[in-house]
Amino acid sequence: EPEVTQTPSHQVTQMGQEVILRCVPISNHLYFYWYRQILGQKVEFLVSFYNNEISEKSEIFDDQFSVERPDGSNFTLKIRSTKLEDSAMYFCASQTNLGPEKLFFGSGTQLSVL
Amino acid sequence: QQPVQSPQAVILREGEDAVINCSSSKALYSVHWYRQKHGEAPVFLMILLKGGEQKGHDKISASFNEKKQQSSLYLTASQLSYSGTYFCGTGRGGSNYKLTFGKGTLLTVNP
Repeated sequence: EPEVTQTPSHQVTQMGQEVILRCVPISNHLYFYWYRQILGQKVEFLVSFYNNEISEKSEIFDDQFSVERPDGSNFTLKIRSTKLEDSAMYFCASQTNLGPEKLFFGSGTQLSVL
Repeated sequence: QQPVQSPQAVILREGEDAVINCSSSKALYSVHWYRQKHGEAPVFLMILLKGGEQKGHDKISASFNEKKQQSSLYLTASQLSYSGTYFCGTGRGGSNYKLTFGKGTLLTVNP
């Protein structure tokens, strides 16, 4: 089965530093998402992306966060100035079509902010 | 509005059955079920659409009661591999399709 690939698997950074989390969605998918999961808690929606623009974002996704698809294959999440509370597992997901279809999740990037 | 899952945790012996419930205070368009093992990505189990359908494969099935705005996941004759955290994700359609996940139900199957 095709896979969503995320890199790195672990990222440790100092508070205030910028991080970029990378994802390669499945090639024919059109809708892309970032979710995060703080340890032991539920998976939370951050942002959805379609046709090279954000289609929806949550209240978590503030001005410190940005997403882009720079080259038509990679899908990145940037956190400009990390805070301790940004520490979480970040999952990228993609979907063929909009609607009630399966989300394919990547294996995640564990971000630790010190 | 986050869906509410119950129970929060359940412990089974191999071969026993379990039911996990997911309910919402808002009208639902669809319900997704995912299983997540520790340190891994959520893995898709099934989607149910409004219309009161029931789905299943192998010994895992689910129902969706649109009127009651709830879904139930049924695990029968549980296997060790069923252990993990089960999340329901609810979708409300519209122009974007984000899922809102419940807090999860931790299922532990012991030999």
